[in-house]
Amino acid sequence: DAGITQSPRHKVTETGTPVTLRCHQTENHRYMYWYRQDPGHGLRLIHYSYGVKDTDKGEVSDGYSVSRSKTEDFLLTLESATSSQTSVYFCATRAEYNEQFFGPGTRLTVL
Amino acid sequence: GESVGLHLPTLSVQEGDNSIINCAYSNSASDYFIWYKQESGKGPQFIIDIRSNMDKRQGQRVTVLLNKTVKHLSLQIAATQPGDSAVYFCADEGPGGKLIFGQGTELSVKP
Repeated sequence: DAGITQSPRHKVTETGTPVTLRCHQTENHRYMYWYRQDPGHGLRLIHYSYGVKDTDKGEVSDGYSVSRSKTEDFLLTLESATSSQTSVYFCATRAEYNEQFFGPGTRLTVL
Repeated sequence: GESVGLHLPTLSVQEGDNSIINCAYSNSASDYFIWYKQESGKGPQFIIDIRSNMDKRQGQRVTVLLNKTVKHLSLQIAATQPGDSAVYFCADEGPGGKLIFGQGTELSVKP
């Protein structure tokens, strides 16, 4: 699992509230990714990072922002959560030219 | 747009039989493909990968075949075991390691 932890593992929140999910890695991998997984859609890329303070948008970035101030941490923020953001969120990391390793996931429910 | 899709959403096999999971992709420029296994409640786990300069690659009990002519790849699992029960995803890697996942095939192994 490349030493990836995600916190929290489960969260229930209300529409309109801000939410931050944290991904922490211990392998010093350069690349980090945030995906969401919904029934019928597989995993879809939200944002990714190719180094400290270097981030870019993925396929479904609207409503999400990210920050990476340290190699080991990649934060995903929902500024104002909506019910459509109810999903399972996975963080992944990758060293140069290697496969991606995924974290255990965070289940987010927006009521 | 680019997409990676699977032919069948579910596959049920008898323990000991071989399993074949198929995947189609649309981007003829794709040059790196990965198969992931996801068990219930866990993140995807890397199984095997293949580059476009190869037609076949073998791992331990798994083989991936790539047919670039028809933009199709398959995952073969030999002597399927109950522990192989999971959802299997193919993914196509783009620049920066961004993965585009198919919707997944759920493999069920009957004892």
